[in-house]
Parts: sequence; structure tokens; C-alpha cells
Amino acid sequence: AQSVTQLDSQVPVFEEAPVELRCNYSSSVSVYLFWYVQYPNQGLQLLLKYLSGSTLVKGINGFEAEFNKSQTSFHLRKPSVHISDTAEYFCAVSPQGAQKLVFGQGTRLTINP
Amino acid sequence: EAGVAQSPRYKIIEKRQSVAFWCNPISGHATLYWYQQILGQGPKLLIQFQNNGVVDDSQLPKDRFSAERLKGVDSTLKIQPAKLEDSAVYLCASSLVGGLDTEAFFGQGTRLTVV
Repeated sequence: AQSVTQLDSQVPVFEEAPVELRCNYSSSVSVYLFWYVQYPNQGLQLLLKYLSGSTLVKGINGFEAEFNKSQTSFHLRKPSVHISDTAEYFCAVSPQGAQKLVFGQGTRLTINP
Repeated sequence: EAGVAQSPRYKIIEKRQSVAFWCNPISGHATLYWYQQILGQGPKLLIQFQNNGVVDDSQLPKDRFSAERLKGVDSTLKIQPAKLEDSAVYLCASSLVGGLDTEAFFGQGTRLTVV
């Protein structure tokens, strides 16, 4: 079985400041890793994904994430946030060979002017 | 390319009533998922279809929830009878079959309030 823990339920930051949203996972099998974003009253949108290869993955809207196998982490970062980044962010894993997603509980990112 | 369509967007019902949600996936996507997202939590998979067959329904409360995907295209999720704890957003998603990963595309969801 797989589980995902997002270490912060809420993260407030000032506009143009850097941000890191933390994600740890546990799994008995190899997994693919994802970050999704959910804007208010919207469905989930894929930000980025790690399948294999380079452990630093770049996604849309200036976000990037780094896969750390030894620490079973997949933290999301952005060097400078904007008001428009205000949203809920979900980390998810998918067991390789099984097309399903297991989500963390989400981190609400709030950007203050 | 049209996205995943869901209806209705909002629904308010009384406990013990029944309700149904509809989903039309992206054309050509053989895999369809229903997720339940309770306020403050991440989405939880209820059921996964591949074409019109069920792949995983291990977390579907089968005493009150049912889902079908006739003809392997659109799908309905039904709750009968509803309980207060069923209040949540029900998300439908779809994906291609056979890829290396699971990039699922999500609809906007149906927000259910049970009173």
C-alpha cells in the first residue's frame, strides 16, 4: 500500500518570496510522483511529474520539484511566488504498473501582498 | 480538446435521499476514475474503470454507492441512501491506457451537500 504525507496543511508567504511545499511518501513498490494544483472551484491540474531520470523536475508556472529516493520525498519549490499561485497543492503517487493515484491531504498556499 | 465534463456542479439533498452524478471523459480515454474529496482532505479513489470493466472498487461503500460505465464511455455514480458524511466534492477523471505513467485529467467536480 502507498501513503502520502504533506507536512504542512497551510503555508502563508509574501508575494515574490520563495516557497517550498513538502511531501513525503511511503510505498513497498516503486512509484511515479506527481504534484497537482487545485484553484478555487476548479478541478485538479497537473503541475509536474517524476517518472525516471533526472531527479529535478520542472513543471508549469515556474514550479519545480526534487525527488529524493533515500528520504522518500518529493518537495515542490518556486523561487518567487505570485498572487495567482494561491491554491491548494496536492502531492500524489502512483504505483508503477497500476494506473491509480494516491493523494496527500493537500497544502493550502496563501500569498500575501 | 474538450476536457472531462461533469454534471451537476452543485447538489443539495436531504439525508436518506438518493442522488446521481454524471461524467463524460475525454474522448479516447479508456480509464475513468471517481474520487471523493471531503473538505480539508485529498481526493480518495472510489472506483476505477477500464473501458466498461471495474479495475478497483476496494474503497467504494458498496452498501450505498454504485457506479456504472455502460458502453465504456460516460459514467454515473449513485448514492442511495445518502448520509451526512457523504457531503464532499465528487471528482471524475480520465486517462489513457498503456502509458508509462498515470496522467489523469480531472473534471471540475460535483459538490454534494447532504443536510
